[in-house]
Amino acid sequence: DAKTTQPNSMESNEEEPVHLPCNHSTISGTDYIHWYRQLPSQGPEYVIHGLTSNVNNRMASLAIAEDRKSSTLILHRATLRDAAVYYCILRVRNAGNNRKLIWGLGTSLAVNP
Amino acid sequence: NAGVTQTPKFQVLKTGQSMTLQCAQDMNHNSMYWYRQDPGMGLRLIYYSASEGTTDKGEVPNGYNVSRLNKREFSLRLESAAPSQTSVYFCASRQDREPFYEQYFGPGTRLTVT
Repeated sequence: DAKTTQPNSMESNEEEPVHLPCNHSTISGTDYIHWYRQLPSQGPEYVIHGLTSNVNNRMASLAIAEDRKSSTLILHRATLRDAAVYYCILRVRNAGNNRKLIWGLGTSLAVNP
Repeated sequence: NAGVTQTPKFQVLKTGQSMTLQCAQDMNHNSMYWYRQDPGMGLRLIYYSASEGTTDKGEVPNGYNVSRLNKREFSLRLESAAPSQTSVYFCASRQDREPFYEQYFGPGTRLTVT
């Protein structure tokens, strides 16, 4: 199965940009890259996803390497409320041609005031 | 809208006891999922239901059963709880029209089996 590798933890200062890296060297051509985050004592929430091109939404940006073997989630101005575990996930096709999410172990982001 | 709700929030069981974790969503989604989350591991899919009346096994189905009672509700049953089932359980749902990539998660049930 394809998998993702992320740093265990990262630290940032409030109002500074944060770049969260993810390696997925075994990704296949049809696998989507998703990011979710999990705030303390809550369920995960969707952040962003992409296939080949860079993506922007109101929460973050996703930069995907040209060979698709890595990607970076960018939070443009970190706030204290962005302190969470960020998961890099591959959405892959299974044997039944359905899609499933393969979760990584996540990066715990601390934001300093 | 409440989104995805789960009950109970916390539960302690003795080995061999049974229980059912309840999940409901009010977003009219067809697909629903049960995951477990353990320290040092990513979320792992236990079972999912693509529509009312259908269920399929995920990565770690052993020791669990599910019921898709109707479109809103998807329950997870532990028939004979084991300490290895100590975990945080999350229910999620997903819509089946564009954009269908986003799963919505409940707040989780923290289960301890002694």
